[in-house]
Amino acid sequence: IRMTQSPASLSASLGETVNIECLASEDIYSDLAWYQQKPGKSPQLLIYNAKSLQNGVPSRFSGSGSGTQYSLKINSLQSDDVATYFCQQYNNYDTFGAGTKLELK
Amino acid sequence: QVQLQQSGAELAKPGTSVKLSCKASGYTFTSYYIYWVRQRPGQGLEWIGYIYPGNGGSYYSEKFKGKATFTTDTSSSTAYMLLGSLTPEDSAYYFCARRFYSSPSWFPYWGQGTLVTVSS
Repeated sequence: IRMTQSPASLSASLGETVNIECLASEDIYSDLAWYQQKPGKSPQLLIYNAKSLQNGVPSRFSGSGSGTQYSLKINSLQSDDVATYFCQQYNNYDTFGAGTKLELK
Repeated sequence: QVQLQQSGAELAKPGTSVKLSCKASGYTFTSYYIYWVRQRPGQGLEWIGYIYPGNGGSYYSEKFKGKATFTTDTSSSTAYMLLGSLTPEDSAYYFCARRFYSSPSWFPYWGQGTLVTVSS
């Protein structure tokens, strides 16, 4: 299964809302996770099963979608959110999206 | 709590091998697959493969067959990945990870990563 993630990079202001999308090449039945990764660190799980928030993750992060289309939304962008974000499907083996690099404007 | 502790950074010469470790704690080591992932500088995440400590069974992504070899030591709850015939293109972070369930699911547990630098 191919995961097409967009945009590849994103520049946003503090307090803004941002959306990142992943498109699967076939139905993945919400078997999708989102991760945040900062330079030199391992990926940190944000969302699983497309919309379930991992324990300890701020509520400004949310996931949505079904079928082949999924989104990660970050409300009220904070400086700590500057990172690269990856989606991952686990419905049929595992595939990562290429990543979205989020920077501050 | 589940923890995966990886070995420290490696500096290796081309043509040599390095053996990375991933020590697990906080759960029954033999009940969950350990996955290995590569990330080149500034690049995305690539699956290398996985090993099941319960029986030693392993799977390698096509790209890494002949490059990576997985082993485990159940007595110390440690997984290993041997990377051979190193070239500068093998310079990357290498992560180990574990799923939430033993069946297909998300990855909440990651090692901190090992940076491998291949240079003469």
